[in-house]
Amino acid sequence: SQQGEEDPQALSIQEGENATMNCSYKTSINNLQWYRQNSGRGLVHLILIRSNEREKHSGRLRVTLDTSKKSSSLLITASRAADTASYFCATGHGSSNTGKLIFGQGTTLQVKP
Amino acid sequence: GAGVSQSPSNKVTEKGKDVELRCDPISGHTALYWYRQSLGQGLEFLIYFQGNSAPDKSGLPSDRFSAERTGGSVSTLTIQRTQQEDSAVYLCASSLALARETQYFGPGTRLLVL
Repeated sequence: SQQGEEDPQALSIQEGENATMNCSYKTSINNLQWYRQNSGRGLVHLILIRSNEREKHSGRLRVTLDTSKKSSSLLITASRAADTASYFCATGHGSSNTGKLIFGQGTTLQVKP
Repeated sequence: GAGVSQSPSNKVTEKGKDVELRCDPISGHTALYWYRQSLGQGLEFLIYFQGNSAPDKSGLPSDRFSAERTGGSVSTLTIQRTQQEDSAVYLCASSLALARETQYFGPGTRLLVL
């Protein structure tokens, strides 16, 4: 079964607005990663946050992690039309430590120019 | 350096035929992963390699699926006697080492079984 559940499933905003996507998971993790996927092909890694971190920034991206609530959020500030894509959270697990990632179902973001 | 490459990019086959999908990871990456993404669904983990070894094959959907990796580099995912439900995008990723590391994905192979 999928570890991560993301919401919303779809998000449509105007260029310049901020976009927030949420991810919840069920079991303990080593890290949580966010990926972007364009046109149903390869995924692009955006950011990785480790289980002992609470917040991380990368350019216009801000990721938070709340291990007590088993949730994470991805904020894209000042969105652009080029940000239109599907965004997935993926969790790396603690017990097996294999690097295996379990992905959520994804959020489809549309940024209107 | 080059990223993860996969071939073919698209494959159309008839039900019952065998297919072989190839992944060439980033040079120096010891860990390699295969995932599958079916239409409208999230990514499903299939198998990972540390070097040439695949300790966990539990993610493979059936015994028609197998994978190998030779020389710690190229990996092939083989699907025997393909079924229509095997139609999906098969994604390969590699990372420097197992666990705690960013995975870099290839462009995927889109498989369509008629």
